[in-house]
Amino acid sequence: EAGVAQSPRYKIIEKRQSVAFWCNPISGHATLYWYQQILGQGPKLLIQFQNNGVVDDSQLPKDRFSAERLKGVDSTLKIQPAKLEDSAVYLCASGTGANVLTFGAGSRLTVL
Amino acid sequence: AQSVTQPDIHITVSEGASLELRCNYSYGATPYLFWYVQSPGQGLQLLLKYFSGDTLVQGIKGFEAEFKRSQSSFNLRKPSVHWSDAAEYFCAVGGSQGNLIFGKGTKLSVKP
Repeated sequence: EAGVAQSPRYKIIEKRQSVAFWCNPISGHATLYWYQQILGQGPKLLIQFQNNGVVDDSQLPKDRFSAERLKGVDSTLKIQPAKLEDSAVYLCASGTGANVLTFGAGSRLTVL
Repeated sequence: AQSVTQPDIHITVSEGASLELRCNYSYGATPYLFWYVQSPGQGLQLLLKYFSGDTLVQGIKGFEAEFKRSQSSFNLRKPSVHWSDAAEYFCAVGGSQGNLIFGKGTKLSVKP
């Protein structure tokens, strides 16, 4: 089966600019997750969707981050305006339940 | 709240030597436990998981892990390390909403 697709793989922007990341989960996976992985740290959950509804967004910095999952399939994560501390890898994952997640390759963001 | 501690930030072993990576968790009930591996520039790949039953779990690539409730541990082991095992390893516990909570990771280097 096809894996979790993410794009772009790499993005370099200046602070205060905006950026968007796209994720296409495994077909049939109802749950979609966005994680942030800062260099030297483990992944941290930003937001979790069940179909097109939000299950958990308690760690999403809502003043600058937004995410949507229209039609319960693809998802977009946006940052506006970006700060230096947003430099990280943004990982998308999908799953069918019981905490078993399949991860994409990630989108690496560098904010200058 | 659930949490995971990986006490070792970086471990170096010689090729052919045995390996043990430590993981301690904090969780009130019986946890779902996972080990993931991340190679440079790649996403996270599931090595093995524990849900219930036999406390010794076999995974891919010759890895195994043992769940010890009395020690709140889920250590990862491999009897003979290969150079291709050099990567970062993450222990995770399943969250109540179906997500994963990760430790900070242990970077494994392999000496020839």
